[in-house]
Order: sequence, then structure tokens, then C-alpha cells
Amino acid sequence: SQTIHQWPATLVQPVGSPLSLECTVEGTSNPNLYWYRQAAGRGLQLLFYSVGIGQISSEVPQNLSASRPQDRQFILSSKKLLLSDSGFYLCAWSVWTNGHRIFGSGTQLSVL
Amino acid sequence: QQPVQSPQAVILREGEDAVINCSSSKALYSVHWYRQKHGEAPVFLMILLKGGEQKGHEKISASFNEKKQQSSLYLTASQLSYSGTYFCGTEQGGNNRLAFGKGNQVVVIP
Repeated sequence: SQTIHQWPATLVQPVGSPLSLECTVEGTSNPNLYWYRQAAGRGLQLLFYSVGIGQISSEVPQNLSASRPQDRQFILSSKKLLLSDSGFYLCAWSVWTNGHRIFGSGTQLSVL
Repeated sequence: QQPVQSPQAVILREGEDAVINCSSSKALYSVHWYRQKHGEAPVFLMILLKGGEQKGHEKISASFNEKKQQSSLYLTASQLSYSGTYFCGTEQGGNNRLAFGKGNQVVVIP
């Protein structure tokens, strides 16, 4: 069966520090991968998606970046965190581009 | 474009029914519904494609009205486990961009 792993579960970082969140999917090949952010009381904002290794589409201009070094690995990074980067970050995958999203357990990021 | 969900919050007693809505100003290809418990990841409930089909998950069903560009989620004989925030995600033309609404908070009390 397919599973998605995301870590860490919680993270507290000072402003200006770097960020690296990792997500891996098991049990499937060539998944579509997504990074979403959920601010308190807000909906799910798509940040990046990838349909294959090295293929990244950015939805929102910001100081975040994403990479897909392996088929089932998706990484969200930042060189310098801002206060506004705080939120609940969710990795997700789907089989088809229009298929339903299966979410990881999320990372609660607090930038202080 | 972000869909609009209404009402923002619903409080109902166990066994009661409720309807929550998701509307878009643009033509839709599909509508997804997810439920999120506090502090957890959203869980997929169902997907509706163009054609006005109706689907169900437990005693939760949904419809998709193409003409109105609207989907409704029906919570029938609600259970305590139905509590959570319901998000709809809308897709236009199969472009792989699922835009989520801000959610409907549903609280079911005994």
C-alpha cells in the first residue's frame, strides 16, 4: 500500500534561518507531488507541484523553493525564513494530475 | 481562483442534517471534498466530475451543479465523528491546479 511520510511534525525556527522539510512517498512510482501551506483559519494554498524528477512548478512567488531529487522525494526549502512563513505545511501526492490528493501528516512551522 | 464556501460554520446536534456549499465564478472540471480534524491532515472524501453526478461516503453525499458552478455536501443523520473542517477543492479544465476554499467548520454536539 502507498504511504506518505513527512517530517518533522513541528518546527520552531528563528527569523532568517534556513528551512528544509522533507516528504517521501512509498508504494507508488512517478507520483504527482505537492506542497501546500495552511495559515491559521485559512484554506490550503498550493505552493509547488511536481509531475516528475526535477520538474517543479511554482504557484506563489515567495522566498521558498522546492526540489525533487528522486522520484518519490519532495523537499521544501528556504534560505532565510520570514515571520510570514509560519503555518502548517502539508505534502501531498496523487496518481493522476486531476486525481485526489493524499496528504502527509503535516509540519507545524513557527517562525519567531 | 479560490472557491467560496458557505456557511463559514455550522453547529448541529447528533442526528441532525446539514448542507454546506462550495461555489465558483468560473467553469469547473471537478470538485473535491476533504475533511480535516484539528491538527491533522485533510482526508479525501469524494470527487465529483462534470456531469452533475452525486456521490456518497458513509452518510455524507455531494452533488455538483454545473450550471451554477456549485457543489453541495449533505451531512445526513450527523455523527460526532463528522466534526471538522470541510474543504472543497475546485479544478478548472484539468490544469492540475486544485484551488481550495477557506473551509466550512462543522461541530456536531451530543
